Amino acid sequence: AQKITQTQPGMFVQEKEAVTLDCTYDTSDPSYGLFWYKQPSSGEMIFLIYQGSYDQQNATEGRYSLNFQKARKSANLVISASQLGDSAMYFCAMREKNYGQNFVFGPGTRLSVLP
Amino acid sequence: GAGVSQSPRYKVAKRGQDVALRCDPISGHVSLFWYQQALGQGPEFLTYFQNEAQLDKSGLPSDRFFAERPEGSVSTLKIQRTQQEDSAVYLCASSPHRTSGYKETQYFGPGTRLLVL
Repeated sequence: AQKITQTQPGMFVQEKEAVTLDCTYDTSDPSYGLFWYKQPSSGEMIFLIYQGSYDQQNATEGRYSLNFQKARKSANLVISASQLGDSAMYFCAMREKNYGQNFVFGPGTRLSVLP
Repeated sequence: GAGVSQSPRYKVAKRGQDVALRCDPISGHVSLFWYQQALGQGPEFLTYFQNEAQLDKSGLPSDRFFAERPEGSVSTLKIQRTQQEDSAVYLCASSPHRTSGYKETQYFGPGTRLLVL
């Protein structure tokens, strides 16, 4: 079974508008972390934001915020004031305390910012 | 400071050739990971090192794949007798601590794009 689901293969957003990228996850481990990475065409994975399973507040990092709904097992990324440079692939990933050290990634969402 | 570096950035191999992909993690990082990313997909875990010890190789797809990190810094991923299905981007990542825990992010290199003809 897929541990990380990203149901939007592609998204378009107008420059300066906000956009939400969806991520749902599946785990039985009570201790886990959720991460979002950006992958531009150059290929490097760039860390954006982290949310821990015990965190009471939604994480924020500059223009990035995470809408964490634990009961629904969703961790959606919100990008405010989109910029042309935000066009890239975005991956949601999870790391579980009791199931290995590696990340499990979703299939990604390609975001295109329109001028 | 210097990030994770990988070489070569691009590699074209004929089917059946052996290839070696190198990863230089961030200096002092204890944990090192290899991932395989097929075209249009998310990265998939291959193997994990803590210093020179390979603690998890459950993601290696076949015995043609071999990874090492003999001195606990630079790592090499070797693929023997390459097949077309090995074509992918191979990403290396490192993180600072021995027991990385679920809270710690990983820092990724730019990847090696392997094309097997």
